[in-house]
Amino acid sequence: DTGVSQDPRHKITKRGQNVTFRCDPISEHNRLYWYRQTLGQGPEFLTYFQNEAQLEKSRLLSDRFSAERPKGSFSTLEIQRTEQGDSAMYLCASTPLGGQAYNEQFFGPGTRLTVL
Amino acid sequence: AQTVTQSQPEMSVQEAETVTLSCTYDTSESDYYLFWYKQPPSRQMILVIRQEAYKQQNATENRFSVNFQKAAKSFSLKISDSQLGDAAMYFCAYRGPNTGNQFYFGTGTSLTVIP
Repeated sequence: DTGVSQDPRHKITKRGQNVTFRCDPISEHNRLYWYRQTLGQGPEFLTYFQNEAQLEKSRLLSDRFSAERPKGSFSTLEIQRTEQGDSAMYLCASTPLGGQAYNEQFFGPGTRLTVL
Repeated sequence: AQTVTQSQPEMSVQEAETVTLSCTYDTSESDYYLFWYKQPPSRQMILVIRQEAYKQQNATENRFSVNFQKAAKSFSLKISDSQLGDAAMYFCAYRGPNTGNQFYFGTGTSLTVIP
C-alpha cells in the first residue's frame, strides 16, 4: 500500500493522559499536514511541515499539542494532558512539492481519539 | 480566513438519478483551487474532482461534474447516474495560492443513495 498511513486507527484514553499519533506520508511527499475533524464537521487545519520544518500552526493547536517531523519523513502528533474536547478524528495528509499533483492532498484513514 | 459553506447537511437521490450538491465560498483572492472530496463510511477522504479558478471550463470526471460560477463564488457538484457506492459524506474544499497549501473545508453533505 503506497498511500498515507496512520497509527493507531483508534485510541481510547483517560482525561489527563498523553497520547501520540504517527503518520507516514506517501514516499517522497515533501509536505505533510495534520487536520482535526469533529463529528458533523469538516476537517480543520492544525499544522503542516515542509520536509522537517514546521511552517504553519493553527490557533487550534494549543500548547498541549506538539507535532514533529524529525527526518522529513514520518510525523508524530502528541497531545499532552488530554481533555474530553480533544475527542476527534485526527487526519494526516501529504502532497508533493511542485508538479501536477501539487494542488491535491492525499489523506490517510485517520486516528480516532476518544477521551473518557 | 476563507470560509466554505455547504448549506445541505443531507441529500438523497434515487439510484441512476442525478443529484447536485451546493457549495459557496468567500475569498478575496483571484487565483485559487476548489475541490470536492468524498468520505465514505470507512472515513478515508478521496478526491472526487478539482477546479482551477483561472479555468473557465467546468471540470468533469466521468459521472462527476462541477458548475463553477466564479463571480457568484459558487462551486456545485453534479453526480449523474448515481450509484450505491456514491453514498458518503461530500466535502467542498478551498485552497488559495499562497496559504501553505492548507485546505479550508465546508461542513459536508451526507448523500444517501436509495436503491
